[in-house]
Amino acid sequence: QSALTQPPSASGSPGQSVTISCTGTSSDVGGYNYVSWYQQHPGKAPKLMIYEVSKRPSGVPDRFSGSKSGNTASLTVSGLQTEDEADYYCSSYAGSNNFVVFGGGTKLTVL
Amino acid sequence: QVQLVESGGGVVQPGRSLRVSCAASGFTFSTYGMHWVRQAPVKGLEWVAVISFDGSNKYYADSVKGRFTISRDNSKNTLYLQMNSLRPEDTAVYYCAKDLIPWNSYYYYGMDVWGQGTTVTVSS
Repeated sequence: QSALTQPPSASGSPGQSVTISCTGTSSDVGGYNYVSWYQQHPGKAPKLMIYEVSKRPSGVPDRFSGSKSGNTASLTVSGLQTEDEADYYCSSYAGSNNFVVFGGGTKLTVL
Repeated sequence: QVQLVESGGGVVQPGRSLRVSCAASGFTFSTYGMHWVRQAPVKGLEWVAVISFDGSNKYYADSVKGRFTISRDNSKNTLYLQMNSLRPEDTAVYYCAKDLIPWNSYYYYGMDVWGQGTTVTVSS
């Protein structure tokens, strides 16, 4: 059982928007602004898409955005494209005891 | 270009040991913390361990604490994971990943560069 809770699947049509949630506790997501999101295509290494809740690394399209409210973080993908179909994982700093925790992952399908 | 290349994976019997390595290039290795993250077959990502840029701070997941040791050799630009008392549930692809922020010893901001992974299979 993962420390952070994500829906196992999400879907949308090309051009639509989809939001993926990531629920933790006050010891991780709610306690720090250190939530990051990763995209992973089959057989590939993960790719950092969002860090510090809402910041995008260089090269990540602005169609990807992040936010947080309380113990729940969210990743929104706007203007869905077929290449966005992948697994998405959230992660958070969880203090010096657990340090990093991941969500179980969400499979995003672009219909 | 910035690159991480893991090696040392293989098939090992339960209870035995294995060391995997991660060779870094294209960035100043000695200024970044480094992580190990694993992914069991058809499962999600699981964080394993982190070491600070200078090796002074190390943190581990509860599932590997006391069995795995993370280390680094900044003169060789190489990260290591020594895995002892291996269990079948340790079977996974092991990725090394670079910290996003340099000189960071205490927080987790994200991992911006990942290797391609090395596969460890624990089976009799």
